[in-house]
Amino acid sequence: GQNIDQPTEMTATEGAIVQINCTYQTSGFNGLFWYQQHAGEAPTFLSYNVLDGLEEKGRFSSFLSRSKGYSYLLLKELQMKDSASYLCAVRDSNYQLIWGAGTKLIIKP
Amino acid sequence: GAVVSQHPSRVICKSGTSVKIECRSLDFQATTMFWYRQFPKQSLMLMATSNEGSKATYEQGVEKDKFLINHASLTLSTLTVTSAHPEDSSFYICSANRGQVTEAFFGQGTRLTVV
Repeated sequence: GQNIDQPTEMTATEGAIVQINCTYQTSGFNGLFWYQQHAGEAPTFLSYNVLDGLEEKGRFSSFLSRSKGYSYLLLKELQMKDSASYLCAVRDSNYQLIWGAGTKLIIKP
Repeated sequence: GAVVSQHPSRVICKSGTSVKIECRSLDFQATTMFWYRQFPKQSLMLMATSNEGSKATYEQGVEKDKFLINHASLTLSTLTVTSAHPEDSSFYICSANRGQVTEAFFGQGTRLTVV
């Protein structure tokens, strides 16, 4: 079956750095996405990786290793507004998105 | 950027009635749209794939007669929850891709409460 694993919850301090990991096993691979979702709202797109390596976008970076079936989302200079759930999703061989359960990130002052 | 609009954002209905949720792609044509359901503290669960001009493809365990999907145009898909029951109360979200390799754009979501 297809499976995406990410930690259920993480806690970090305002101003610090946090890394959210995602491992996946899917039928084929056509890209990995990270989304941010605040409670009661729809997910918003953060990043996309299809080749190995690091993609940097401001305070957020995302890394992919296809051989290891592994990705992480790195958030720097954490702000209180970064408190949200972070969803990892993989597009499989049928171009269907397979979603992880999400990681709830709690930022403390 | 691409925008997907979903309406209504919140709806409360009586048990046994039907509710229609609309999903529109505002600045691009979407031959395929996706409908998700999300229960509290859980991830997105794909319910069905809506295909313009043809029947929707439902995921295993999703009742097609209860969750009617119509994708009559390249910019509009509707989900109708028929004979709603309290257990249908959930957050329903639609999404669409502008192309096969672009990211999914999500509607704002609809919070359905069946009383």
